[in-house]
Amino acid sequence: GENVEQHPSTLSVQEGDSAVIKCTYSDSASNYFPWYKQELGKGPQLIIDIRSNVGEKKDQRIAVTLNKTAKHFSLHITETQPEDSAVYFCAPTIRNTNAGKSTFGDGTTLTVKP
Amino acid sequence: DAGITQSPRHKVTETGTPVTLRCHQTENHRYMYWYRQDPGHGLRLIHYSYGVKDTDKGEVSDGYSVSRSKTEDFLLTLESATSSQTSVYFCAIKGLEGTGELFFGEGSRLTVL
Repeated sequence: GENVEQHPSTLSVQEGDSAVIKCTYSDSASNYFPWYKQELGKGPQLIIDIRSNVGEKKDQRIAVTLNKTAKHFSLHITETQPEDSAVYFCAPTIRNTNAGKSTFGDGTTLTVKP
Repeated sequence: DAGITQSPRHKVTETGTPVTLRCHQTENHRYMYWYRQDPGHGLRLIHYSYGVKDTDKGEVSDGYSVSRSKTEDFLLTLESATSSQTSVYFCAIKGLEGTGELFFGEGSRLTVL
């Protein structure tokens, strides 16, 4: 099965600084690379994703970069704000299989200090 | 709002008792999933369904069974709950065909004493 490693497991930054979380996966068949944000007491929610034919995608303060050769992708958050504090999960996915198999990383707890 | 409702949201039970968690969706999506979330383990797939009466195992399916008799409902059953099944359970549906995006419910916190 897919082996997913996410680093760091915790990250503390000052408001306004940047944060980077890296996800390494093992299955070269993975072709969809989402990042989910989970706030306390809620279910995870997609914040950005990228497909295997694209190297980078940006949405305002967040971006995702993909290196398929090295099998890793990263979440970048710029100008962090206290509301960015949450747990973030990567979930490399093999789409177009029967149900689209997603394997989640163990999560990164991001704390943004005001 | 993906129209996913989980019930119950909280439950405390004793070892050896049966427990059923319900996931209800209003979106008529084909694919539905049950995950469990434990500290340090992210989300792990228990079972999933790709249509009415069509289900399959995930990576941590031992001790769990599922049923899907209607498109909108996906039930997770613990036949005889154990303390190791204390966890937060999330139901998810897959988005539009081919996107891969998952939409999650709010979770069901289960404590087995």
